[in-house]
Amino acid sequence: DIQMTQSPSSLSASVGDRVTITCRASESIIKYLNWYQQKPGKGPKLLIYAASTLHSGVPSRFSGSGSGTEFTLTISSLQPEDFATYYCQQSYNSPQTFGRGTKVEIK
Amino acid sequence: QVQLQESGPGLVKPSQTLSLTCTVSNGSIASGDYCWSWIRQHPQKGLEWIGYSYYSGSAFYNPSLRSRVRISVDTSKNQFSLHLKSVTAADTAVYYCARFVDTTMVQTFDYWGQGTLVTVSS
Repeated sequence: DIQMTQSPSSLSASVGDRVTITCRASESIIKYLNWYQQKPGKGPKLLIYAASTLHSGVPSRFSGSGSGTEFTLTISSLQPEDFATYYCQQSYNSPQTFGRGTKVEIK
Repeated sequence: QVQLQESGPGLVKPSQTLSLTCTVSNGSIASGDYCWSWIRQHPQKGLEWIGYSYYSGSAFYNPSLRSRVRISVDTSKNQFSLHLKSVTAADTAVYYCARFVDTTMVQTFDYWGQGTLVTVSS
């Protein structure tokens, strides 16, 4: 199985901060990398697919980059509704695998 | 937009079969571009893909669960189901259904249900 490693596992930030989350794959996944946002008690919501394409309706302050084994999710200016847990997921190989998540908390 | 809703028992006894249904609304389940998926999340842990099925019935499973799991699709009801047999406490988790887009350029879980907690306990 392809292992997905996210860092950091948690971070504290203030409204307006720029936030960057990293996801590393144990082998090359080209650009088959997706990012999700999950809030407590809810199912995950797709933010970005194919490493850098914004899903419909997702605010433009979210962006993704990377290829191969290293990827980043950036929130350019953190908003109150962005405090949540973020997961990366690879769809290059079966089984699909997810990172362990990055919890973004209010400083 | 497409909506998915899980339903089924919240409590299952050890060694029995866990069965859940996902109802899809605002979209047809009978499309070759999508796989109908189940994913679970153990308490305070990450997400684990269980498997998915095309509407034709062709299904793919996580090797770690393959011997115990079956996913079926009912196009007449616009629903799909998960059956996980011989459950133990380790199967206690929140179970999500999701739609997986399977095209050349896009492979992603684009819509998810809200999840349902299933506890395995006697």
